[in-house]
Amino acid sequence: GAGVSQSPSNKVTEKGKDVELRCDPISGHTALYWYRQSLGQGLEFLIYFQGNSAPDKSGLPSDRFSAERTGGSVSTLTIQRTQQEDSAVYLCASGGQPGAYYEQYFGPGTRLTVT
Amino acid sequence: DQQVKQNSPSLSVQEGRISILNCDYTNSMFDYFLWYKKYPAEGPTFLISISSIKDKNEDGRFTVFLNKSAKHLSLHIVPSQPGDSAVYFCAASGGSSNTGKLIFGQGTTLQVKP
Repeated sequence: GAGVSQSPSNKVTEKGKDVELRCDPISGHTALYWYRQSLGQGLEFLIYFQGNSAPDKSGLPSDRFSAERTGGSVSTLTIQRTQQEDSAVYLCASGGQPGAYYEQYFGPGTRLTVT
Repeated sequence: DQQVKQNSPSLSVQEGRISILNCDYTNSMFDYFLWYKKYPAEGPTFLISISSIKDKNEDGRFTVFLNKSAKHLSLHIVPSQPGDSAVYFCAASGGSSNTGKLIFGQGTTLQVKP
């Protein structure tokens, strides 16, 4: 079956520009998470969606970061006025199935490079 | 503060031998622990998990051990195969938020030599 997909796979942008990253979760998964992995670091939680609501946004590093989810499915992560420290791999995961609440299935990620 | 730590950045073992990857955590409220495996240019894939009510979980060649008093977990791979070469992340969840969000360690790169 189809897994989690993300687009674009790579994005190079100039400092100060806005970017949008897209995530298509596994069909039927109610929970959706965004993480990022900076060079040499572990994965860092950004935001959690349950359906279209985001009850936990505690990981968003600044107000330049925002995310939305529509139809309980697709999610977009938007970074405004990008900075070089935003360069990282942004990963989306879905999960929340009964009996496997914590098991999350990750997409391949979007590698963002801010020049 | 790093709530989940993997203190060994890398590990090299011979094919057929045991690989032991370690992970320490500080938050006693964590109630679920997972191991993920990551190949380059791919997202992490779920490997094995353990609930805090257990001290061992086994799935084929993979076994996870949990020592709650020491706040320590380990992943054993027996026998190790070259295809196991990847970055392994331990992750923890639970606590007051209970959103299912995962707190990850920094990862350990495992190399299995033929």
